[in-house]
Amino acid sequence: GQNIDQPTEMTATEGAIVQINCTYQTSGFNGLFWYQQHAGEAPTFLSYNVLDGLEEKGRFSSFLSRSKGYSYLLLKELQMKDSASYLCAVRDDKIIFGKGTRLHILP
Amino acid sequence: GAVVSQHPSWVICKSGTSVKIECRSLDFQATTMFWYRQFPKQSLMLMATSNEGSKATYEQGVEKDKFLINHASLTLSTLTVTSAHPEDSSFYICSASPGLQVDIQYFGAGTRLSVL
Repeated sequence: GQNIDQPTEMTATEGAIVQINCTYQTSGFNGLFWYQQHAGEAPTFLSYNVLDGLEEKGRFSSFLSRSKGYSYLLLKELQMKDSASYLCAVRDDKIIFGKGTRLHILP
Repeated sequence: GAVVSQHPSWVICKSGTSVKIECRSLDFQATTMFWYRQFPKQSLMLMATSNEGSKATYEQGVEKDKFLINHASLTLSTLTVTSAHPEDSSFYICSASPGLQVDIQYFGAGTRLSVL
């Protein structure tokens, strides 16, 4: 079956670094997405990985290992506005979303 | 670029009535649009995929006669919740993709439906 796992909640401190992990088991794989979703709002696109390795985009980086079925989203220099849910999504013949990780940032 | 507009953002209706939600891609042609449903603290659940000019593909367990989807143009898709009931109360989100293949999706702001 299709399964995407990520931690339910995480807490980090403003200015610090946090890594949000995602593991997946899907019948096929055509890429992995990370989205950010603030409470009551629609998700916004953060990153897309289709090949193994690290993709860096400003304070956010995303890593993929296809052989391990594993990805992480790395957030650096955390800001209060980064408090949100982070959704891992895998593209098979359609996009399947994980349940999201709620990240709490403490001052 | 890649702006998707969804309207209305919030709607309250009486049980038994129908509600239409619009999703528009403002600056690109959306060959494919998606409709999701999200309960509080839950993930996005794909309801259906629609391609312009053809019938929508519904996910297992989604009643096509209850959730009517129309994708009549490359910039507009609509979701009509027919004979709404309180259990249909949820956050409905549309997304659009510029390509034929599943690709980066751009989301609308969502519609919060409350059925009394």
